[in-house]
Amino acid sequence: AQKITQTQPGMFVQEKEAVTLDCTYDTSDPSYGLFWYKQPSSGEMIFLIYQGSYDQQNATEGRYSLNFQKARKSANLVISASQLGDSAMYFCAVDSSYKLIFGSGTRLLVRP
Amino acid sequence: ETGVTQTPRHLVMGMTNKKSLKCEQHLGHNAMYWYKQSAKKPLELMFVYSLEERVENNSVPSRFSPECPNSSHLFLHLHTLQPEDSALYLCASSQVGQDGETQYFGPGTRLLVL
Repeated sequence: AQKITQTQPGMFVQEKEAVTLDCTYDTSDPSYGLFWYKQPSSGEMIFLIYQGSYDQQNATEGRYSLNFQKARKSANLVISASQLGDSAMYFCAVDSSYKLIFGSGTRLLVRP
Repeated sequence: ETGVTQTPRHLVMGMTNKKSLKCEQHLGHNAMYWYKQSAKKPLELMFVYSLEERVENNSVPSRFSPECPNSSHLFLHLHTLQPEDSALYLCASSQVGQDGETQYFGPGTRLLVL
């Protein structure tokens, strides 16, 4: 069975600094995708970034990058130059057939 | 801005009421999903429809009844709910076989069962 572990329930970061949100996963699928979503207090889940298990390079999307270490089964999200609007819950997820298996999330608070 | 809309955004209902949640996707996707997000719990997948056929029913109580009349619309019919069903209900859609099958979510319906 697929499983996602996010060990940081909450984190603080100073505005304009970088922050890394941890994610480890467990899957027996030979091919899989890893996703990060942002959920502000409004509740909407906003897709941030995707990494395929066979992608040679780490995914990047603007200020978001994914530090993918396949052998360690980790897919950490790096947010550079944090902004106040980055304060939200962040969820890591792995896909399995039609399903997305989500972690418990990390609450990020950006300090001015 | 989102390609997936959900109505209503907030719903308060009694345990004897019948209500429906609506989801519509404007992305041309062929799969749609219902998730439940309770406080302090990971998102739970409830139902999956692919090409308008239900392909996943994740041991959800029968008081939740999904309906997918076409690839753009998904409903969740609710009846005789319990207070523990209070949660955020999220709809998502994806294109199976493309774009890493990324799921795009709607804004959710916050449901309170009294």
